[in-house]
Amino acid sequence: DAGVIQSPRHEVTEMGQEVTLRCKPISGHDYLFWYRQTMMRGLELLIYFNNNVPIDDSGMPEDRFSAKMPNASFSTLKIQPSEPRDSAVYFCASNHWGRGDETQYFGPGTRLLVL
Amino acid sequence: AQKITQTQPGMFVQEKEAVTLDCTYDTSDPSYGLFWYKQPSSGEMIFLIYQGSYDQQNATEGRYSLNFQKARKSANLVISASQLGDSAMYFCAMREGVPGGGADGLTFGKGTHLIIQP
Repeated sequence: DAGVIQSPRHEVTEMGQEVTLRCKPISGHDYLFWYRQTMMRGLELLIYFNNNVPIDDSGMPEDRFSAKMPNASFSTLKIQPSEPRDSAVYFCASNHWGRGDETQYFGPGTRLLVL
Repeated sequence: AQKITQTQPGMFVQEKEAVTLDCTYDTSDPSYGLFWYKQPSSGEMIFLIYQGSYDQQNATEGRYSLNFQKARKSANLVISASQLGDSAMYFCAMREGVPGGGADGLTFGKGTHLIIQP
């Protein structure tokens, strides 16, 4: 089975530009999570969805960040306008609580650099 | 207060020795899950092991075991017979509440950088 797929793997953009990160969860998984990793703040949850519905977006830094999940196999995290402090690795993860498996499976991450 | 505390920023260990990575957690919820992830220099997050708060036995997965001491709120990762490929960052994480209860995201510690020396 394919794991969680994220694109792009690397993104370099200039301050003020719009950035869209994409994620395809593992088929059959009904939970999708977006995390951000920085040196200063470590790994932190931004938002997560259950059955395509946002459940907790309290970690989204500010209104410049938005996330959508239009269907069970696709999610986007958008930053508009981007700022240098948004530079980080953004991970998408998915899971399904059933069958006693609580593991969250992470994608390879998108390394974002905002100049 | 931090929810997950990893007190060892870095560790050097000789190859073939056993390693214990410390993790303490803070929650008032009786239901929670504890996880360990490995992040090699390539950057991916690799799941290692999971312990549920109601599990009676310590979790084991191959060379990895979790020393779960509920009363002390500690969930240390033990790696037996360390290998050079074990060199990586290791993160302890927690999910609070029952699965699907609305708090399903993981809270991570700051990590321990483990270096295995030949």
